[in-house]
Amino acid sequence: AQKVTQAQTEISVVEKEDVTLDCVYETRDTTYYLFWYKQPPSGELVFLIRRNSFDEQNEISGRYSWNFQKSTSSFNFTITASQVVDSAVYFCALSEGEGGSEKLVFGKGTKLTVNP
Amino acid sequence: DTGVSQNPRHKITKRGQNVTFRCDPISEHNRLYWYRQTLGQGPEFLTYFQNEAQLEKSRLLSDRFSAERPKGSFSTLEIQRTEQGDSAMYLCASSPGGGPSYSPLHFGNGTRLTVT
Repeated sequence: AQKVTQAQTEISVVEKEDVTLDCVYETRDTTYYLFWYKQPPSGELVFLIRRNSFDEQNEISGRYSWNFQKSTSSFNFTITASQVVDSAVYFCALSEGEGGSEKLVFGKGTKLTVNP
Repeated sequence: DTGVSQNPRHKITKRGQNVTFRCDPISEHNRLYWYRQTLGQGPEFLTYFQNEAQLEKSRLLSDRFSAERPKGSFSTLEIQRTEQGDSAMYLCASSPGGGPSYSPLHFGNGTRLTVT
């Protein structure tokens, strides 16, 4: 069965600090896809990144970076030099199977608060 | 691109009443998804459509729930004989096609249902 665990329920940092959000997943498939979404207070989920199981290269996009390690079934997300606008709930999600299934399985989310 | 639109934003109803929510996807997106999110949890998949065809339903979607997408454009989600356990945020998402692994899902702001 597929499962996503985000052990950190809430994190609070001061602006300009770096912060890492952890994501551990479980799946029996060899082909799967991992995602991160951001949910600001307005409620709309915003897509951040998609990664397939065959691509373990880390990715950097501006202040955001992602570390995918199949050996530990983890897909962690780091925000460098955090800003108040980064405050949101962040969700990690998994989609199984060749081409990905239609269903995304989400973790419970990590609420990030960045204080000025 | 006006985004995914959901109405109403909030709905308060008494137990036993029927409610209907509407979702207008991004135009020309042929896939439309419904998710449910309860407090402190990640979104959970309910169902999805490709054009007007409902292709997958979660076992979370009891007989009291019905979703339609009659002309392959907007969709409605109806809950009959509401129960307090139905209180949640109902999220709609759309994509151009190919599943979430090919095309990111674009989410709306959701409809928050409170059953008293």
